[in-house]
This record gives sequence, structure tokens and C-alpha cells, in this order.
Amino acid sequence: QKEVEQDPGPLSVPEGAIVSLNCTYSNSAFQYFMWYRQYSRKGPELLMYTYSSGNKEDGRFTAQVDKSSKYISLFIRDSQPSDSATYLCAMKPLRGSARQLTFGSGTQLTVLP
Amino acid sequence: DSGVTQTPKHLITATGQRVTLRCSPRSGDLSVYWYQQSLDQGLQFLIHYYNGEERAKGNILERFSAQQFPDLHSELNLSSLELGDSALYFCASSVAGTSDGEQYFGPGTRLTVT
Repeated sequence: QKEVEQDPGPLSVPEGAIVSLNCTYSNSAFQYFMWYRQYSRKGPELLMYTYSSGNKEDGRFTAQVDKSSKYISLFIRDSQPSDSATYLCAMKPLRGSARQLTFGSGTQLTVLP
Repeated sequence: DSGVTQTPKHLITATGQRVTLRCSPRSGDLSVYWYQQSLDQGLQFLIHYYNGEERAKGNILERFSAQQFPDLHSELNLSSLELGDSALYFCASSVAGTSDGEQYFGPGTRLTVT
């Protein structure tokens, strides 16, 4: 079983829809959670970075973390065709030398005009 | 633009050959991480350097090695290349020293082994 599970999709929504992307994890040592957006053949772009359980909002994006359930989500409001990309969740532990990120497999999102 | 640069963008080489991928971190970042992204394995951590010292290793093959130089740029060396090494290779940088450093990725090097 992978440490981080993410539904690969593909997910297709109409423009203006609210998108919900999710990841679950099994390693309780993970304390920092990130969402990256990756356009085809480009480098991952950091969208959201959270530590605490709860919600963090940045423009049209809201990241939600539920550590008790080991479940994180990214919500995109008023989705645009330019949001079409692969979304990767990533996480890492609080302490120790293992500061590398563990990624989900990514969800491919298409927003239709 | 994340501020992380990688060269070359594309590399095509034959099996058995050796290549070097280069990464320059963002100004002020001391940590460099290397990741491999393939279709079947997703993004996998290879190795982490902090201020010239190796800090952690992931699923990095013995044929692969890396180093970080005094000017903080890093190189990933891949030798005895096999077809399965074809992938996107990313480096990321962060301000280490705090465990909560955000990692910013470069544009990647696409390696094709024929």
C-alpha cells in the first residue's frame, strides 16, 4: 500500500464548477501538506502549503487538512480552463532528516469552456 | 518562474552512456532535492543535499550519484543508462535549517534513453 493515495482521475468539469481534489495518507508522521499544480511536461508549481488541521484559503483555492482522518483536500472555486492540469498532493514529516516530499500519483483535471 | 534553473531541458542518449544534469537553486536556498518522474512511478525522491552535504537518500540507484558544489548548484550524474531511466528529472530547492521549508521545483530535464 502506498503511503499517499490519490485518485488519478481523469476529472472533467464545466467552467465555473467547484472542484474537489483529495488525498489520503497512512503515515501519521506527515505534518506538512502541500498541493502542486503541474502542466504537461512542466515543473510542479506550489499552490498551497499547510501545517495545521483546518482550512487555508488563497484566492480561488482552499486547502483542507484533517489529520485525525489522515485526509487532505483542495477545493477550486469558479474553475477556469487555465486550471486544467495535473494536481499533486505532497507531504512530509515534522522532524528528522527525511525532509523530502512524498507525493500522491496526481489527479488530471480538465475544465471545459 | 520558480527561480530554480535546470539544464539541459532535453537530453537524448544511448544505453550504456553517462549524462550529467545540472540544477541551480533559488537565491538563498541551501537545500537541493532531486526527484524522478516517470509515467508508472510518479514523482519519486532520489537524494537531498544541504549546503554541500548529502542529507538523505531515497530510491536512488547505485548507477546514479549527485553532488552539491560550494556555489550551491548541484549535479546529478546518471551512468550505464538503461531504457528504464527515461524520465523527467526535477530538482527542487528550499531554505533548509527549518523543517517547514517550502520546496520549489525547476522546469525539469527530460531524459530519453534509446
